[in-house]
Amino acid sequence: GQNIDQPTEMTATEGAIVQINCTYQTSGFNGLFWYQQHAGEAPTFLSYNVLDGLEEKGRFSSFLSRSKGYSYLLLKELQMKDSASYLCAVLPAGATNKLIFGTGTLLAVQP
Amino acid sequence: GAVVSQHPSWVICKSGTSVKIECRSLDFQATTMFWYRQFPKQSLMLMATSNEGSKATYEQGVEKDKFLINHASLTLSTLTVTSAHPEDSSFYICSARSQLSGFGELFFGEGSRLTVL
Repeated sequence: GQNIDQPTEMTATEGAIVQINCTYQTSGFNGLFWYQQHAGEAPTFLSYNVLDGLEEKGRFSSFLSRSKGYSYLLLKELQMKDSASYLCAVLPAGATNKLIFGTGTLLAVQP
Repeated sequence: GAVVSQHPSWVICKSGTSVKIECRSLDFQATTMFWYRQFPKQSLMLMATSNEGSKATYEQGVEKDKFLINHASLTLSTLTVTSAHPEDSSFYICSARSQLSGFGELFFGEGSRLTVL
């Protein structure tokens, strides 16, 4: 079956760095996405990894290790507005082309 | 990026009535759209895949006769919650994949919050 695990909640301090981990077990792999979702709103795209390594985009970076079924999202210079849920999603192999979402990590940034 | 618009954003209805939610891709054509449901403090659960010009594909445990999906054009998919009950109250989100971003990024609508009294 498909399984994606993330920590349920995390807390960090404004200005600090936080790493949100995601492990997955899926039937094949065609890429991993990270989305940010504020309460009551739709998710917004943050990053996409299909090859091993680190992808950096401003304050956000995402890392992937396909052999370990592991990814992390790194947020630097945390701001209060970064308080949100962060969703890890995997695109399994096959023709269905459906994203499978993890349970999400609720990040609380404190002053 | 590509834009997906969803309407209505909020809907309150009485138990037993039907509610229709629209999902439109505004600047690209989407042969496939996805409907998700999200309960409070939970992640997105895929309900069904909407296919333009053909029947939708439902995930296991989702009643196709209760959640009617129509994808009549390349830019519009609709989800109708028939005979809604309080347990159907949830946040419904549609999404579509655009090739504009190269790797087929999934774009989400704004979501529709359904409250069934």
